[in-house]
Amino acid sequence: DIQMTQSPSVMYVSVGDTVTITCRASQGISNSLAWFQQKPGKVPKRLINVSSSLQTGVPSRFSGSGSGTKFTLTISSLQPEDFATYYCQQLSLYPLTFGGGTRVELK
Amino acid sequence: QVHLQQWGAGLLKPSGTLSITCAGFGGSFRNHFWTWIRQPPGKGLEWIGQVNPDRTTIYNPSVETRVTMSLDTSTNQFFLRLTSVTAADTAVYFCATEGWGQLLWGPGTQITVSS
Repeated sequence: DIQMTQSPSVMYVSVGDTVTITCRASQGISNSLAWFQQKPGKVPKRLINVSSSLQTGVPSRFSGSGSGTKFTLTISSLQPEDFATYYCQQLSLYPLTFGGGTRVELK
Repeated sequence: QVHLQQWGAGLLKPSGTLSITCAGFGGSFRNHFWTWIRQPPGKGLEWIGQVNPDRTTIYNPSVETRVTMSLDTSTNQFFLRLTSVTAADTAVYFCATEGWGQLLWGPGTQITVSS
């Protein structure tokens, strides 16, 4: 299985900060990566597909980049509604696997 | 508005069988890929498997010997069956399908395995 490692696991930030979350794959996955946001008790929501393609309706402050084994999710000027847990998922090889998650909390 | 609903027995005894149904409403779900994902309490997401439009299945090796996924295109329903459950199968189970430019999720079904 491809292992997906996210860092950090928790980050403490303030509204207005720029947040960068990293996801590393144990082997190359080209650009076959998605990012999800999940709030407590809610269904995950896909933010970005194929590494950098923003889903319809997702604010432009979210952006994704990377290819191969290293990927980043950036949130520019974090808003109060962005406090959540973020997951990456590789879509290159079955079984599809998720990172362990990055929880974004208020400093 | 297209959406998914789920239902299934929430409390199971060890060695029992988990069965969840996911149904699509508000649109045609023909030619869709259907996926099951689960999330143990306080933990991350695990992809369980998927059914392709041609009804072929791909399962996570972690559950492959115990899982069956199927679909009924005439009723837009998608089924998960997991046998010989243990406490480790306690989780919220989500169905999901790709369509209309998004990954559409069901609301989740809480499954608890306890004696």
